[in-house]
Amino acid sequence: GENVEQHPSTLSVQEGDSAVIKCTYSDSASNYFPWYKQELGKGPQLIIDIRSNVGEKKDQRIAVTLNKTAKHFSLHITETQPEDSAVYFCAANSMEYGNKLVFGAGTILRVKS
Amino acid sequence: NAGVTQTPKFQVLKTGQSMTLQCAQDMNHEYMSWYRQDPGMGLRLIHYSVGAGITDQGEVPNGYNVSRSTTEDFPLRLLSAAPSQTSVYFCASSSRDRSQPQHFGDGTRLSIL
Repeated sequence: GENVEQHPSTLSVQEGDSAVIKCTYSDSASNYFPWYKQELGKGPQLIIDIRSNVGEKKDQRIAVTLNKTAKHFSLHITETQPEDSAVYFCAANSMEYGNKLVFGAGTILRVKS
Repeated sequence: NAGVTQTPKFQVLKTGQSMTLQCAQDMNHEYMSWYRQDPGMGLRLIHYSVGAGITDQGEVPNGYNVSRSTTEDFPLRLLSAAPSQTSVYFCASSSRDRSQPQHFGDGTRLSIL
């Protein structure tokens, strides 16, 4: 089945700097890769996603890149702000269990002002 | 638009007690699922449903039951609570298309004493 690894587990950046979180996946059949942001006491909220037919997608300060050959994808946040502090999860879909998402273990991002 | 609503938000149980976690969505999504979130382990799939009347097991189904009598509701039942079931439980919904995003509720924080 699909396995998703996420790095780093914690990341501290200065306000205004960029942050990059990387994930690798194992199942070449996976074709959908969402990123979720989870704030304290809340459920995961989708912030951006990418499908396997594109290599990069941007939404204002957030971008995701996908390398299907190497089976890895990354989240890039530019001009970080204190409100970007949260836990970020990458995920990949899987043929198992219907429309299952397999999640990475998460990255705690701290933006210092 | 409420999205995915989970109740209760917090619950404390004694070992051996049973209870039902409620989940409702108003987006007419066919696919619904239950995850548990434990520190350092991301989210793990407990049970899922691809439509009313259809349920199936995920990765960690033992000790839990589900039913899906309507499109909107997908309750999760703990049959006989154990301390190992202390966790945060999230319900999610999506269309049946594997490449469509899943929408999460805000979770139920459950402690078993």
